Amino acid sequence: EAGVVQSPRYKIIEKKQPVAFWCNPISGHNTLYWYLQNLGQGPELLIRYENEEAVDDSQLPKDRFSAERLKGVDSTLKIQPAELGDSAVYLCASSYHSGADTQYFGPGTRLTVL
Amino acid sequence: QKEVEQNSGPLSVPEGAIASLNCTYSDRGSQSFFWYRQYSGKSPELIMSIYSNGDKEDGRFTAQLNKASQYVSLLIRDSQPSDSATYLCAVKGGGGSNYKLTFGKGTLLTVNP
Repeated sequence: EAGVVQSPRYKIIEKKQPVAFWCNPISGHNTLYWYLQNLGQGPELLIRYENEEAVDDSQLPKDRFSAERLKGVDSTLKIQPAELGDSAVYLCASSYHSGADTQYFGPGTRLTVL
Repeated sequence: QKEVEQNSGPLSVPEGAIASLNCTYSDRGSQSFFWYRQYSGKSPELIMSIYSNGDKEDGRFTAQLNKASQYVSLLIRDSQPSDSATYLCAVKGGGGSNYKLTFGKGTLLTVNP
């Protein structure tokens, strides 16, 4: 069974530029999560999807961050414009459903904003 | 605001020793508790889950939960250098959200050969 796929693995951009991250969850997983992990910190939830619906986006900074999960499979997280403080690892995870305890994490995208 | 607290370490133990990792949480309504292992530069991997008071054993790993004290721990017996990683405690449930996983900052464990 293939795991959660994310791309790119690394991204370096200058501040004020836009950036997008892509995630393909494990086949059959209805719930998809985007997390932010700063150095020395645990992951923090940005947004949770149940199929196509964003059911928890309370932690997503909506002034510059946006996300979509068209057709309830792949998802894209976008930042526009990026700020220096956005440098972090962006993790995507998936699970069979929200009540499932096991979340499977992708390898993450390490973003560096210069 | 739900909080999960861990000693950031680093915790250093010799090979073959028992490593003890601790975690406290603030929300008494929390229902599910997890330990994730994260190797440097890698993504978190679930290694243990526990839901009721007491101990749960899986191989060299034992998770312990005390809801009255709002405390969860992870014991690693016969520690190996390959156990060197950051261990993240995570809590789910309560606080108006039964689905949100809240992580601690993690404890860095180093097992010395």
